[in-house]
Parts: sequence; C-alpha cells; structure tokens
Amino acid sequence: DSGVTQTPKHLITATGQRVTLRCSPRSGDLSVYWYQQSLDQGLQFLIQYYNGEERAKGNILERFSAQQFPDLHSELNLSSLELGDSALYFCASSADTGANQPQHFGDGTRLSIL
Amino acid sequence: ILNVEQSPQSLHVQEGDSTNFTCSFPSSNFYALHWYRWETAKSPEALFVMTLNGDEKKKGRISATLNTKEGYSYLYIKGSQPEDSATYLCAFITNTGNQFYFGTGTSLTVIP
Repeated sequence: DSGVTQTPKHLITATGQRVTLRCSPRSGDLSVYWYQQSLDQGLQFLIQYYNGEERAKGNILERFSAQQFPDLHSELNLSSLELGDSALYFCASSADTGANQPQHFGDGTRLSIL
Repeated sequence: ILNVEQSPQSLHVQEGDSTNFTCSFPSSNFYALHWYRWETAKSPEALFVMTLNGDEKKKGRISATLNTKEGYSYLYIKGSQPEDSATYLCAFITNTGNQFYFGTGTSLTVIP
C-alpha cells in the first residue's frame, strides 16, 4: 500500500461530459503528480502541484485542469470528453518538490468514454 | 517531445539467471533518473532515484548504474526469481521545467 488514494477506481461516461478524479497523497507528502496512460502508451506526465501551487506542466490538454487544495488532496478535471481520453489516470505523491525524491503511486482511475 | 527508450521491450529468463536492461535518455538537461517496478494489477513502486553521473544503487538483488554523459542507465537483477516478474520503468527528469518523461518499460518474466 503506497498510501496514495485515488477515487473512483472506475468511471464510465459519454463523450462531451465532464468528470473529476480525486487523489489523496501519502501522509506528509506535499507534491502531487498526475499521469495519463493510454492504450499501448507509456505514462504521460500531465501536471505537478506542490503545496497548493502548480509546479510543472507537461502534456496536459486545455480541456483538462487540476488543483491542489489546502488539505493537499488534488483533483483532476476533464471536460468535453472525447473517446481518446479513455485511459488509466494515475496520481503520485512525493515528499518535496524535487525530482530527487521517489514518487508513490496510487492504484489509478480507469476512465472509459463511450 | 523527448525520447526515453528502454530495451529490450520484453524479456523471458529462467529462475536463477541474472539479467539486465537499459534505459536511454538525452545526455543534456539531466536532473534525475528514476527506476520503478510495476507488477500487473498494482501501481508502480519506486526502486531507485539517481542524480549523479557514476551513481550505483543497490536494493537486495537489484542494482542500477547511471551514466549521464552518454545518457544511459542499466538495471541489473541477480539470480532472478519468479516474484521479480514485472514491468520495469525508468523516468528521466529534466532540469528545465521539472518535466518527467517515462519510458515504455521492459517487461520481465521469470520462468520457474
């Protein structure tokens, strides 16, 4: 158990809809990262938050947004969903902002767009 | 888009064999290199974080080396066991914008 909690585990919705994925980091971790894993693709870095502030941005679409709240949990919002957004979305956390810290991954949210 | 390549893509070894695989990354803008182990139906688990050229890290039968000047890292598993069966991922982190780039992994199957 990594200590990182993601909800929901599975989500099925239709094109054009909006969903919110939630992540609670490991106790004491200040950084939260979001990744997307599509079919036959590696993990794609979307965005990092550190102590409530955006720290780094990867290949995140404009239809996607994220935030980290004062209690350090994070939400990833996906809107105007398309079939290609079907993927496994992982959240990870680390103790600090630096990449010299290992990341601890949640079990992921599997998003299916019908 | 920056390329992080892992080879081989998949590997089958007999129990007791030692094995190694490679993560190749750009030799510029290096900040850190992470290795993760990802078992089926679980989430990735951190193995090593490497930041200095020439770094060598070890955890039990698994070890890793890092060459930032030529842009590669090796992961070694000594005396493979069936429980080592997993996908091994590397992640390259840049010193510009703190970007994370994962390879697609090496899938290891250890045959009893």
